[in-house]
Amino acid sequence: DSGVTQTPKHLITATGQRVTLRCSPRSGDLSVYWYQQSLDQGLQFLIQYYNGEERAKGNILERFSAQQFPDLHSELNLSSLELGDSALYFCASSVALDHQETQYFGPGTRLLVL
Amino acid sequence: AQSVTQPDIHITVSEGASLELRCNYSYGATPYLFWYVQSPGQGLQLLLKYFSGDTLVQGIKGFEAEFKRSQSSFNLRKPSVHWSDAAEYFCAVGEGGGADGLTFGKGTHLIIQP
Repeated sequence: DSGVTQTPKHLITATGQRVTLRCSPRSGDLSVYWYQQSLDQGLQFLIQYYNGEERAKGNILERFSAQQFPDLHSELNLSSLELGDSALYFCASSVALDHQETQYFGPGTRLLVL
Repeated sequence: AQSVTQPDIHITVSEGASLELRCNYSYGATPYLFWYVQSPGQGLQLLLKYFSGDTLVQGIKGFEAEFKRSQSSFNLRKPSVHWSDAAEYFCAVGEGGGADGLTFGKGTHLIIQP
């Protein structure tokens, strides 16, 4: 158990809908990262937040957004869902922004868009 | 931009035999390198990491990896595999010392034969 929690574990929805995925980082970790794992694209970095502020963006679609709240939990919002958004979404956390950081991953949320 | 190549999509090894999983990276500066393992239906677990110093790093579960700058490689090894090692293995490179989004390889699926 990494200490990173994600809810829900599974999510089934329809095209065009909007969903919110939630992540609670390890105690004391200030950085939260979101990744998408799909069969065709593999594991891709989406976005990073540090202490409530967006810090880095990866291959995140404009239909997707995220935020980190004062209690440091984070939410990933996916809107206007398409079939291709079906994937496993991981959250990871690390302590800070220093070099030599290790990211610890949560168990993931499996999203199925029908 | 950085990239990671894992040349072997699948590898089959007999239980008790030695294992080497290959990883090559492309990155302009000093790379920060990681190996993660993903068991079916599970999240990503960190096996080991390289930031600097000794080029042979030890990880959990009896795994080790060797950083070879001249070959741009970070191969994962284990002297004797167990059936429980069957999983997907991912090599990753971090730009900001692991404090930025990681770039992952496509993964190597390890199959253990009895």
